[in-house]
Amino acid sequence: QSVLTQPPSVSAAPGQKVTISCSGSSSNIGQSYVSWYQQVPGTAPRLLIYENNRRPSGIPDRFSGSQSGTSATLGITGLQTADEADYYCGTWDSDLSAGVFGGGTKLTVL
Amino acid sequence: QITLKESAPTEVKPTQTLTLTCTVSRFSLWSRGEGVGWVRQPPGKALEWLAIIYWSGDKYYGPSLETRLSITKDTSKNQVVLTIINVDPEDTATYYCIHRPSGFYSLDFWGQGILVTVSS
Repeated sequence: QSVLTQPPSVSAAPGQKVTISCSGSSSNIGQSYVSWYQQVPGTAPRLLIYENNRRPSGIPDRFSGSQSGTSATLGITGLQTADEADYYCGTWDSDLSAGVFGGGTKLTVL
Repeated sequence: QITLKESAPTEVKPTQTLTLTCTVSRFSLWSRGEGVGWVRQPPGKALEWLAIIYWSGDKYYGPSLETRLSITKDTSKNQVVLTIINVDPEDTATYYCIHRPSGFYSLDFWGQGILVTVSS
């Protein structure tokens, strides 16, 4: 049972937009920045978004992040088949004094 | 850029101790504010945060395995070692070494991962 809650799956057509939600609590998302990770099957996760809405070098601006209260959202526009992957949100939990992840969301580009 | 490489036995038996080593490059374990840790992923399942050790020596452990974990660093070898005692088949997973930059929490670099199977 993951500390952060994500939908198990989302899907959309190429070129469309999709959002993935991540719900937490006051001890994690409510007081710590959220990061998002993309994991293409068979590969290691990579950082997609950090500090709620910042993109590392090399990540296209089709990917965006936002945070409000104890929830965060990842947005992907102009969907491509290459975006098919599992997406995880993560942050620090002050009550646990540990990092936490969501259960992951599988994105299917139809 | 920073690189992290995991090494470990690919198979261990139940009740044994698993030792995982992360060798880091282009990064010093003395870098202020930064940390190196471990995340695992059982086959077909979600990521699970395990532990982290900071430049200062401060250590933090995930609550589910805390009593079975120990994380240490050898600055002279640029290595971070995670030990898991009394393993069982549920510890079968791909183990990733991760880097946490200074500043606000995120995991910006990941190793390629190593699959460890616990089986008799």
